[in-house]
Amino acid sequence: QLQLQESGPGLVKPSETLSLTCTVSGGSISIGDDYWGWIRQPPGKGLEWIGTIFRDGSTYYNPSLKSRVTMSVDTSKNQFSLKLTSVTAADTAVYYCTRTFRTGDLGRGYFDYWGQGALVSVSS
Amino acid sequence: DILLTQSPASLAVSLGERATINCKSNQSLLYRSNKRNYLAWYQQKPGQPPKLLIYRASIRESGVPDRFSGSGSETDFTLTINSLQAEDVAVYYCQQCYSSPLTFGAGTKVEIK
Repeated sequence: QLQLQESGPGLVKPSETLSLTCTVSGGSISIGDDYWGWIRQPPGKGLEWIGTIFRDGSTYYNPSLKSRVTMSVDTSKNQFSLKLTSVTAADTAVYYCTRTFRTGDLGRGYFDYWGQGALVSVSS
Repeated sequence: DILLTQSPASLAVSLGERATINCKSNQSLLYRSNKRNYLAWYQQKPGQPPKLLIYRASIRESGVPDRFSGSGSETDFTLTINSLQAEDVAVYYCQQCYSSPLTFGAGTKVEIK
């Protein structure tokens, strides 16, 4: 059974960089056609797609965050990562890593596996 | 960006009764080349990540009870929960993967009356 687990600091200061890593177990991110990605959910609010990465390093970001987001993949560790720069209080959210069941190109698909989520608060 | 509008925002249904949630897209989610609608439904219980229930508008994910069903095409979609159970209390989201950026509806909260 595929499992995903987020890790990283739970508190980040304004203007600094949020960094999270997702470790995948029960399957390999270096095979198959699926994407891997990140979704966030501010407390008490809805879901926002951040972006998606393929095993070859190809990335697809939400244009609303594109200028601040970088995703990377480390197939040797079966991990992928998220960096979000210049954070503000508006970036406070639960961040989920996901597997995206691919339905097309440009990162499109459904989210069939989710991590438990990591709450990241932005505060000084 | 594709906008998904869910209605109602919340609803209370008696145990054993039917719950109906709507999701309307501001553009068609139907790929005419393969006749597939690129819409999914998720269930999120408090303190948990969302769970994929339905994809391609009407296909139940493995392990999802058959009281959950999805229907609709192009711009109008429905998630129906037949014979509501206590464990179905949750927020339900629709999501489109017709085009990037991938977007979600705002959610519908289902409670027991």
